[in-house]
Amino acid sequence: DVKVTQSSRYLVKRTGEKVFLECVQDMDHENMFWYRQDPGLGLRLIYFSYDVKMKEKGDIPEGYSVSREKKERFSLILESASTNQTSMYLCASPPRGSGRPDTQYFGPGTRLTVL
Amino acid sequence: SQQGEEDPQALSIQEGENATMNCSYKTSINNLQWYRQNSGRGLVHLILIRSNEREKHSGRLRVTLDTSKKSSSLLITASRAADTASYFCATDRRGSYIPTFGRGTSLIVHP
Repeated sequence: DVKVTQSSRYLVKRTGEKVFLECVQDMDHENMFWYRQDPGLGLRLIYFSYDVKMKEKGDIPEGYSVSREKKERFSLILESASTNQTSMYLCASPPRGSGRPDTQYFGPGTRLTVL
Repeated sequence: SQQGEEDPQALSIQEGENATMNCSYKTSINNLQWYRQNSGRGLVHLILIRSNEREKHSGRLRVTLDTSKKSSSLLITASRAADTASYFCATDRRGSYIPTFGRGTSLIVHP
């Protein structure tokens, strides 16, 4: 069974703090994604990575950066957290070569509150 | 970016009834997926239907796809209280394997 884990379920930070959200997958997947989910807006893609040290901007990358130093780990970084980044953050990773190339396996989510 | 839109936004039914949710999208797709999200959790993949398929079943789930109308429906038969969740459709972006999610349908099944 594919497992995607996220470092925290709940996080409270102050405005201006640097925030790291970690995501780890245990199935040697090449692709990893970060989404944020807000009421009424659904899931919006922030960044994704298709290989180590490779990254691509999604639909809403402003205010975020990412790091992929190892295949299993994809970090989302808020350089200077702001209150409008209060949200649920979801990490996802699809397998490749499974016959279901587009299926996303999601982590449990991190609910971030920025005060 | 292309986005599926679910309808209705919210649905409330009694246990044992069927629940139908719809998804409409704008441009041609290779496949469409449905996901479920229990409150405060990550999404769980339910079913994928390819553009050359018209109907697919998985247990109590039935998904249809009408590419001429650019729409899909998810039917949950004999619903249970445990089916209470939000349901999302996701369509792939043209020329890409990346799915784009809709805003979801919130389903409440009353015991």
